[in-house]
Amino acid sequence: GQQLNQSPQSMFIQEGEDVSMNCTSSSIFNTWLWYKQDPGEGPVLLIALYKAGELTSNGRLTAQFGITRKDSFLNISASIPSDVGIYFCAGRTQGGSEKLVFGKGTKLTVNP
Amino acid sequence: EPEVTQTPSHQVTQMGQEVILRCVPISNHLYFYWYRQILGQKVEFLVSFYNNEISEKSEIFDDQFSVERPDGSNFTLKIRSTKLEDSAMYFCASSLDRESTYGYTFGSGTRLTVV
Repeated sequence: GQQLNQSPQSMFIQEGEDVSMNCTSSSIFNTWLWYKQDPGEGPVLLIALYKAGELTSNGRLTAQFGITRKDSFLNISASIPSDVGIYFCAGRTQGGSEKLVFGKGTKLTVNP
Repeated sequence: EPEVTQTPSHQVTQMGQEVILRCVPISNHLYFYWYRQILGQKVEFLVSFYNNEISEKSEIFDDQFSVERPDGSNFTLKIRSTKLEDSAMYFCASSLDRESTYGYTFGSGTRLTVV
């Protein structure tokens, strides 16, 4: 089945630093979504991408849909303590499937 | 802001017992989903539901699982005879359209513990 390889698995950074994480796949995706999950909560949508090459920002967050449609990255600029959490990429493949395939997540720790 | 509501937040059940997890999707959404997340692992798709029938299901969603929309607001996941490996967070989600143009909205989840 389709798999998303998300990296890095975890990151420990200082407040104010920029962060970058990415997802790759051998399959083509026609939608990429980035979610954040806080402990004990459900995933919350951060950014949605629908076109190859699309670059979208949401405040300090920027995400891009790769040209090959097999990858996406998420950048967080000037990190703050509340950015702590687990970030998941998720994608929907071609072929009309409704399901989202999730990456394994990047656990972000921000030291004040 | 509209939200997906799940109850209970935590359920402990004995192996072999039936459980029903409940969800109230966002009121004008038409597509409904269940996902699960085993502790420390990624979120996995279980089933999608539209127009009162299952539209897609994963290999995880075997005969022990069933979904129902008993009325205009609730969406339930039933596990007929729970196994230890069913212990996980179960997330309900809903979307306005099939392409999830605005992304899914997930609930806060039900933590199911099978003992």
